Amino acid sequence: GAGVSQSPSNKVTEKGKDVELRCDPISGHTALYWYRQRLGQGLEFLIYFQGNSAPDKSGLPSDRFSAERTGESVSTLTIQRTQQEDSAVYLCASSVTDRVRRAGELFFGEGSRLTVL
Amino acid sequence: SQKIEQNSEALNIQEGKTATLTCNYTNYSPAYLQWYRQDPGRGPVFLLLIRENEKEKRKERLKVTFDTTLKQSLFHITASQPADSATYLCALDNFNKFYFGSGTKLNVKP
Repeated sequence: GAGVSQSPSNKVTEKGKDVELRCDPISGHTALYWYRQRLGQGLEFLIYFQGNSAPDKSGLPSDRFSAERTGESVSTLTIQRTQQEDSAVYLCASSVTDRVRRAGELFFGEGSRLTVL
Repeated sequence: SQKIEQNSEALNIQEGKTATLTCNYTNYSPAYLQWYRQDPGRGPVFLLLIRENEKEKRKERLKVTFDTTLKQSLFHITASQPADSATYLCALDNFNKFYFGSGTKLNVKP
């Protein structure tokens, strides 16, 4: 489809394992965002990409979290040595926002639900 | 520190009435503000965007106001329907980062 695609949709892992979450943005969208949403909570900003550079990583909760993006395409969020507190839905969004226009609606994927046992 | 506040209590209203949701913020000077709808188990869906120089924006049964002096946005759904039941999130831009409130759950009863 033409929307933002995230995989896996569900991931159950054991504490201490590493996980990779993938996001395929809408083609042509230069900006890409990762958010975390704990049960019953709002969206917590993690990281923002403009193209393949990440001008702002300030939202990443710890050095166990990292993200990369290939060009203006796929992004991967990696969580190393997962903890139970990492359990949440990880949402990816893309936008045509650029540095000049500073405007644009976010198109979200359906999220990756991570459960750390 | 920066803060976005939405009423955490669910808003329960009768079908046909107008629902009004509030978004207050502090320590921001957003160029614009957005409202999203989120259904259970789904990603948020964009509804409306209003810029700092706009007082009001309308789209069908939806109306958004933006008061940069009060640092507040109001989101109205007129002639509400049970299908409008969902969580509504406001989002503020901060130099290409978007910060979200925790959302207000709206329940429209038939």
